[in-house]
Amino acid sequence: DTGVSQDPRHKITKRGQNVTFRCDPISEHNRLYWYRQTLGQGPEFLTYFQNEAQLEKSRLLSDRFSAERPKGSFSTLEIQRTEQGDSAMYLCASRGGRSFDGYTFGSGTRLTVV
Amino acid sequence: GESVGLHLPTLSVQEGDNSIINCAYSNSASDYFIWYKQESGKGPQFIIDIRSNMDKRQGQRVTVLLNKTVKHLSLQIAATQPGDSAVYFCAEKPLNTGFQKLVFGTGTRLLVSP
Repeated sequence: DTGVSQDPRHKITKRGQNVTFRCDPISEHNRLYWYRQTLGQGPEFLTYFQNEAQLEKSRLLSDRFSAERPKGSFSTLEIQRTEQGDSAMYLCASRGGRSFDGYTFGSGTRLTVV
Repeated sequence: GESVGLHLPTLSVQEGDNSIINCAYSNSASDYFIWYKQESGKGPQFIIDIRSNMDKRQGQRVTVLLNKTVKHLSLQIAATQPGDSAVYFCAEKPLNTGFQKLVFGTGTRLLVSP
């Protein structure tokens, strides 16, 4: 499978716990994005990496959120001290080159905070 | 809130009919637009794109129309099939976002009955 992989697919956690999600982009893609999607809404941009550099962060990304892409390949998104409002689908996308038809989303990680 | 988001606009059609899904975008400076299809439990899947210097683009069974005067985008699906049932999102790339993030609109659920 050469698509964008995300792990885990589902995560249920208690409020106050920390969670970490992983994204493996398409191997030749140097650009990686995280989005958040709540039920019935379109995805909202969270953050963007070009290679290992985090070049943009949304105001949605509070201090409890941190993302890394240490070697310019896979990325992790960590949420500390989770809150019920963090419950959402967390989507990763990757893109290579200039064309947007290569902007490929993974299937997401569904987070439920109880 | 979540309750509003659950009530997605829904378009119900019969198999074989043509479908038209509409989207009003927000930023007159956006220079690129994409339609995505999202099936339950999956990430958004690219359908077709259009640049702001065009008003129409055709793909296989799909056509996107862009009216910049009224900031309106539409997706036409010819001979709709049950497999087209999904939520459809339009997305725009605002001109001033150097890092290629996308801004998504509210989705439309397409239901195709056999």
